[in-house]
Amino acid sequence: EVQLVESGGGLVHPGGSLRLSCAASGFIFSSYEMNWVRQAPGKGLEWISYISNSGSTIYYTDSVKGRFTISRDNAKKSLYLQMNSLRAEDTAVYYCAREAGGYSYGPYDYWGQGTLVTVSS
Amino acid sequence: DIQMTQSPSSLSASVGDRVTITCRASQSISSYLNWYQQKPGKAPKLLIYAASSLQSGVPSRFSGSGSGTDFTLTISSLQREDFATYYCQQSYSSSATFGGGTKVEIK
Repeated sequence: EVQLVESGGGLVHPGGSLRLSCAASGFIFSSYEMNWVRQAPGKGLEWISYISNSGSTIYYTDSVKGRFTISRDNAKKSLYLQMNSLRAEDTAVYYCAREAGGYSYGPYDYWGQGTLVTVSS
Repeated sequence: DIQMTQSPSSLSASVGDRVTITCRASQSISSYLNWYQQKPGKAPKLLIYAASSLQSGVPSRFSGSGSGTDFTLTISSLQREDFATYYCQQSYSSSATFGGGTKVEIK
């Protein structure tokens, strides 16, 4: 069974840092592209970052460029999101999501349960 | 970036109703359009991919159509468990974008 389990969320002050993790199981992690998607309270879904299966290709949405860093450790079957210089508008539930195979950019066929990040003083 | 516009933003319907949600892309995305269902407090669930392909395990009352810039999600006979928020997403470009969502509520 495919499972994605996020961790690392919590309360952080503006300007602070946080590292999210996503532990994968039930599939060959190194074969799949992965993404982070967030959802602010009461709002819609926002894609924030993509990483290829090897980690060699990475993309970010403009609002997090220079502040967030996506990475992966295929040996540990884990995806990460290092978040620096956090702002109140980064407050959201953060989901990791697997891209279905066989596409240049595919649909997200499995999602984690999400981890809440709250940026507040 | 490609902008995705969904309409309506919300709708009220009864069990058994046929429901249609539309999604428009700001440029042609061929058939790289996906639909998700999200219930409160839960992660999104993939329903339809590549505009019209039904994800495994999804009931056949859900269907998708369209190509280019205009797309539709149809629920042929709304069931109680379908009351949720629905999102479209383009996977044409490296920067995936989602529509604003359509909340389907009980009339």
